[in-house]
Amino acid sequence: DAGVIQSPRHEVTEMGQEVTLRCKPISGHDYLFWYRQTMMRGLELLIYFNNNVPIDDSGMPEDRFSAKMPNASFSTLKIQPSEPRDSAVYFCASRLTGAETQYFGPGTRLLVL
Amino acid sequence: AQSVTQLDSQVPVFEEAPVELRCNYSSSVSVYLFWYVQYPNQGLQLLLKYLSGSTLVESINGFEAEFNKSQTSFHLRKPSVHISDTAEYFCAVSRTSYDKVIFGPGTSLSVIP
Repeated sequence: DAGVIQSPRHEVTEMGQEVTLRCKPISGHDYLFWYRQTMMRGLELLIYFNNNVPIDDSGMPEDRFSAKMPNASFSTLKIQPSEPRDSAVYFCASRLTGAETQYFGPGTRLLVL
Repeated sequence: AQSVTQLDSQVPVFEEAPVELRCNYSSSVSVYLFWYVQYPNQGLQLLLKYLSGSTLVESINGFEAEFNKSQTSFHLRKPSVHISDTAEYFCAVSRTSYDKVIFGPGTSLSVIP
């Protein structure tokens, strides 16, 4: 298996622009998680899905952030408009029901200028 | 609510010396406990986990952790570290395999030649 795939790996954009991060979970996994990692705040859970349905989005910072999972093999995290404080590494992870281990993607390093 | 504390944000240690990374958790119910490792510029990966049974769990690369219910701790140890162990280590907790995982702030282990 290719593991969790994230794209792009790096993104540099200007403040006010829309940013879309993409994630392909491991085939067969029915849980998908989006995390944000910064030096100041560490690793934060933003939102997670089960069977494509959002279960807990209490970690989403504000309305500028939105996440979708249109099917079992694809999810997006969108920031519109982006701000410099959104600069971080964003990780996607997936897991299988009944299994405890989460598998993380390599992350997307976002820099908002 | 659950929480995880990692008292040491940075731990420098000389190569071949022993190391202990501390983790304490708070929870009113039984929990699953994890240690994840993040190598530079990579996503997190599971190092070891405690679900039930023996309180001492081991990883394939020489790390071990012991679940101590009375002290609500899950400290990670290795008797002799290698340069390749330089990484960020995250302690994590969840209530069940269906629940979200709460990550600690991480401990940066630096192995000095």
